[in-house]
Formats: sequence, structure tokens, C-alpha cells
Amino acid sequence: DIVMTQSPDSLAVSLGERATINCKSSQSVLFRSNNKSYLAWYQQKPGQPPKLVIYWTSTRESGVPDRFSGSGSGTDFTLTISSLQAEDVALYFCQQYYTTPVTFGQGTKVEIK
Amino acid sequence: QVQLVQSGAEVKKPGASVKISCKASGYTFINHYMHWVRQAPGQGLEWMGIVNPSDGSTSYAQKFQGRVTLTRDTSTSTVYMDLSSLGSEDTAVYYCARGYPRYSSSSHSDYWGQGTLVTVSS
Repeated sequence: DIVMTQSPDSLAVSLGERATINCKSSQSVLFRSNNKSYLAWYQQKPGQPPKLVIYWTSTRESGVPDRFSGSGSGTDFTLTISSLQAEDVALYFCQQYYTTPVTFGQGTKVEIK
Repeated sequence: QVQLVQSGAEVKKPGASVKISCKASGYTFINHYMHWVRQAPGQGLEWMGIVNPSDGSTSYAQKFQGRVTLTRDTSTSTVYMDLSSLGSEDTAVYYCARGYPRYSSSSHSDYWGQGTLVTVSS
């Protein structure tokens, strides 16, 4: 199975400041035939299901604010919130869907400093 | 609009089985695989398996092999998750989640059900 490891486990950022979450996979999730890394990011607020934020490493889901961006390739990926807003407080998970079993990172809790 | 509506909360005794439904609407049911993911209290997300609604084929996480069965009913656009031999460690919220892109098991999930809490307690 591909192991997904996120860092940090939690971070506190001031409103309007940048938040950066890292995700590392134990093996490459890059599919060479289409040059896409099969990596997604989800946001989860208490009592709610996860919400898709980013897929194919860097494609924002419809309706997601452009302060959210994703980058990386192969085994190392980053989710960046360029200017943290109060409504961004949540748990964030990365996910590889390159192969089954689909696997998730352990989650990163984002809070306001 | 796409909706995935799951059945209600369940309380089960150890050793029992549970069957959760996930009714899809707002899209062509057979075009998208359906994932099942669970989340124990205060824990992360754990993938359980995937079903292809078009032909009923399935793939399960090794951890759940032999205990989980995913089925579908194309007449009602509903997917079912059956988990047997329940233990306290199976207490969790269970989610169905639509796979995207179409026709692919290598898919992220763009729509999620509301979740079904299963509590296993004697």
C-alpha cells in the first residue's frame, strides 16, 4: 500500500497569513502516460463529510476560492492557503488515488493563531 | 444536482452485521464508481473499497477482505455496504463517495454522502 504522510499534524496561522501543508507518498503517484499525479486534497469541518478542494495535484474544484492552491509531483506535494480566512479552519487530508487501496494522509488541523 | 443520501444511524451488538445504503441522484448512476470510506471518532479517513455500478465489480482493502460486501441496485441507483462480524473497533462514521472521473477506479471523490454513524456496543 502507498503510505501518505502529512506534515505538520497541526498548525496555527494568523488571519490573512499563509498556511502550508505538506504531503509525502511512499512511492510515486505520477502516471507517466498522462503526466498527472493522482493526488487530491480534502477539507473537513466538524460534523461534516470531507469536501474536495484540489485534485490532479493542482486543479481547484469548482467553487473553491483561489486562495487555495496545490503543487508538487511524484512523491512530494503541498497545499497552500495564501491568505487564511476564519472559514478555512478545518482538518485537511491528502489522498492518493493512483492505485487501490486508495490511501489518505493522517490529516492536518489548521487553526487561527 | 448530484446527491448521495445514506441510510440512518445504526446501533449493533458485537458479532452482528450492518448494511448501509447510499442512494444516488442527479447523474448517470452507472458512469461513476462508488467508494466507501470510514472515519472512527477523532480519527482519519480509511478507505474500505470500491464498486463499479455498471457491472457490480468490486475491490476491497485487504483489511476488510471477507468482512465487507459492496453491492448495487441499478433500478434504484443505490449502492450498499454490508459489514459483518462487527467489533467495537468498527464504531465509525461510514461514507459513500462518488468517484471522478467517470469510468475509472483511479478516482478521487467529488461528492460525498452525509455519513452514517455505526455504533457497536454490547
